[in-house]
Amino acid sequence: EIVMTQSPATLSVSPGERATLSCRASQSVSSNLAWYQQKPGQAPRLLIYGASTRATGIPARFSGSGSGTEFTLTISSLQSEDFAVYYCQQYNNWWTFGQGTKVEIK
Amino acid sequence: QVQLQESGPGLVKPSETLSLTCAVSGYSISSGYYWGWIRQPPGKGLEWIGSIYHSGSTYYNPSLKSRVTISVDTSKNQFSLKLSSVTAADTAVYYCARAIAAAGTGYFDYWGQGTLVTVSS
Repeated sequence: EIVMTQSPATLSVSPGERATLSCRASQSVSSNLAWYQQKPGQAPRLLIYGASTRATGIPARFSGSGSGTEFTLTISSLQSEDFAVYYCQQYNNWWTFGQGTKVEIK
Repeated sequence: QVQLQESGPGLVKPSETLSLTCAVSGYSISSGYYWGWIRQPPGKGLEWIGSIYHSGSTYYNPSLKSRVTISVDTSKNQFSLKLSSVTAADTAVYYCARAIAAAGTGYFDYWGQGTLVTVSS
């Protein structure tokens, strides 16, 4: 089983600032990596797939990078609606999720 | 627009079997893709439970494999989850989702709203 590890667990950021979230895979997943955003009481929403491709309707302030075992999600200028929990997920070998990073208001 | 909707009992007794159904609209299951179940215990992260391919092949999380059965009913355009011998640890919001695959096994692009299942006597 591929283990996905996200860091940090919690990220405190002021509105307008940049947020950088990390995700590491226990073995290579190539570029088969997705990022999801989840707000309280809602289902996860797909942000990024293929490590760096934004899903339909996702603002350009969200960007993903990386391949193999190291991945990053960057939110260039945090808006109020971006404070949420973010999960990475590999789909190279079935599916596993990271434990999530909570982005909170500083 | 693809839509998924979970349904089933919100309360299940310990040692019994949890049964949920996911009704799909806007896309025919038999046309392709994987269809999966994911759960989220209260205040915790996401856990993939298992998936079924449109052909009927099934794939389960090894940690749950002995208790999980996923099936598909193409005539009703829905798929189902059965989880046996449940305990309080199985209390969670259960989501169904579609996995679209351009590479690998696919990322989940459409999700149901989720349904809370509580295991309690």
